[in-house]
Amino acid sequence: DAGVIQSPRHEVTEMGQEVTLRCKPISGHDYLFWYRQTMMRGLELLIYFNNNVPIDDSGMPEDRFSAKMPNASFSTLKIQPSEPRDSAVYFCASSLTGSEAFFGQGTRLTVV
Amino acid sequence: GENVEQHPSTLSVQEGDSAVIKCTYSDSASNYFPWYKQELGKRPQLIIDIRSNVGEKKDQRIAVTLNKTAKHFSLHITETQPEDSAVYFCAASISSGSARQLTFGSGTQLTVLP
Repeated sequence: DAGVIQSPRHEVTEMGQEVTLRCKPISGHDYLFWYRQTMMRGLELLIYFNNNVPIDDSGMPEDRFSAKMPNASFSTLKIQPSEPRDSAVYFCASSLTGSEAFFGQGTRLTVV
Repeated sequence: GENVEQHPSTLSVQEGDSAVIKCTYSDSASNYFPWYKQELGKRPQLIIDIRSNVGEKKDQRIAVTLNKTAKHFSLHITETQPEDSAVYFCAASISSGSARQLTFGSGTQLTVLP
């Protein structure tokens, strides 16, 4: 298995533009997590899914952020409109049991 | 919700010495405690974990201890090597039904000096 796959690896966009981050979890994993990492706030859980259903989205910072999981092998995190303070590394992670989380390589987002 | 505090934020040790990183958690319902290592520019990777029914776990040069009464757990690295240099994160998780909450500590930058 190739592990959790995220795309793109790097994204630079202008303020106000829509940004879509993509994630393919490890096959067979029932849990999918989206995290944001910044120097100031560390690793923050944004939202997680169990069997494609969003369970807890209390970490989503604002209505500008939305996440979907249309099937077991794909999830997206969308920011619309993007702002400079959204600049961070966004990690997707998946888990078989919900405990051990395996992270993707991350997407480094820069909003200018 | 759960709150995880991690200390120290930075740690420098001489190669061959031991390193200890400590974390405390607030929610007594937490029952799973993983440790992640993140090298510069890379993803966090699980290096060891411990569940609440165990007090200590060891894997070669790495060990983790858990004190449920005091609500703290620690990572011990012995015979440190330069390749151990990285940021280490502790985390605490509550598992209840389909609910999962993995809360991370703020991280410790470990530098092993050759």
